Parts: sequence; structure tokens; C-alpha cells
Amino acid sequence: NAGVTQTPKFQVLKTGQSMTLQCAQDMNHEYMSWYRQDPGMGLRLIHYSVGAGITDQGEVPNGYNVSRSTTEDFPLRLLSAAPSQTSVYFCASSYRQGYRYEQYFGPGTRLTVT
Amino acid sequence: AQSVTQLDSQVPVFEEAPVELRCNYSSSVSVYLFWYVQYPNQGLQLLLKYLSGSTLVKGINGFEAEFNKSQTSFHLRKPSVHISDTAEYFCAVSARSSGDKLTFGTGTRLAVRP
Repeated sequence: NAGVTQTPKFQVLKTGQSMTLQCAQDMNHEYMSWYRQDPGMGLRLIHYSVGAGITDQGEVPNGYNVSRSTTEDFPLRLLSAAPSQTSVYFCASSYRQGYRYEQYFGPGTRLTVT
Repeated sequence: AQSVTQLDSQVPVFEEAPVELRCNYSSSVSVYLFWYVQYPNQGLQLLLKYLSGSTLVKGINGFEAEFNKSQTSFHLRKPSVHISDTAEYFCAVSARSSGDKLTFGTGTRLAVRP
């Protein structure tokens, strides 16, 4: 049971390049989400998914796309990288049934856009 | 929409002293409340959560928090801190109706000194 895994751990992009941040979980959690963490701003929700085939926007979705073709994977795509997207990105998965609640965050991807 | 305010960006404290990290939230609907800890260069780990029931919630590593609905607060406490508690602590809220969409505070850095 690996929990939530993210790749790569570090990435440097030039402005205008595109890339995909990978996120996978092996806990069969229905709910997955992407956050970005910037100094002094806490974490902000980018996109989330309540199950395979279902995604929706969070607080800061502009410049990012997601898809959820399987329960396990939830990749985040940067269409045309901008310096404002320099951040640390965290993927999370969670499960809730009644008052049972489990949530796990991945280790993060540190992205620098030059 | 929900919002979270963590009034203290940094809290210095001596080892074995008690500590309280403050969190206030704003919401027009019923909420779930969470505290997370982030050690340097790592992801977030769930410390404790309030979903329902007793307003005093106990978490991992000896931390506890009390939900106060009238004051819209969820302060985190520990009676005696250790050097290893040095980390960033985030308070988060989600509306009960919106699944696991979390709104985070800006974080409090706890610095434990010997």
C-alpha cells in the first residue's frame, strides 16, 4: 500500500511549455484533488474529482486541466506554463462514509517556471 | 463559501511548555474542521478532525482541539511540546455538503526552542 504518489518531485519549465504532473493512489478512494501551496497563502484547491469520469473546478483552476479516467489516477496538466504557476503542488485522496474519514496527501511536486 | 483565519503566522515556544495555535473560521453552513501538520519538505499529515459529536477532539502526537461553534473557533493545543513538533500547522474547513473540498488557513509556524 503506497498511499498517494506523485511524480516528478521536482521540475523546471520554461514559460510556454506544457507538462503533466502525475498522481496515483492505491486505496480505492473516490475523492481526489489537487492543491497548490504558495508562501503565506496556505493551500488552494485547483481541481477535484468525486470519482472516475467526474471532475470540477476549485478555487484557482485557470491554466490547469484534469481528467479522471480511472479511480487510481488523477493527472494535472499545465497547458502553457507561466511564472505565476511556480509553486508546490500536492495531490490528495480521501474517503468518507458516515463518520469514518481517511485522507492522505502526496509528497508534493516542486515546480519552477522560468 | 468558507474562510479560515490563523491569526499567528509564527509561534515560538520553549520545549515542554504548553502551546495553543488559534484558528477561526467563517461559514454560513455546517462544517467539518481539520488540523494538518507539515514538516519541512514534506506533504501534509492529518493531525485531527472534527466531524460531529464531542467538541473536544484528540489527535496524534498528543495534540487536541476544541470546536466552539458560538465563537467559530477550532484552536489546537498541546500541554507539553517537543523539539520534534517544530513544523507548519494548517487549519482547514469544508462544508458538510461539499465533500472534501478544503479551504485552508495561511498556516502557523511552530518553532520549539530547547
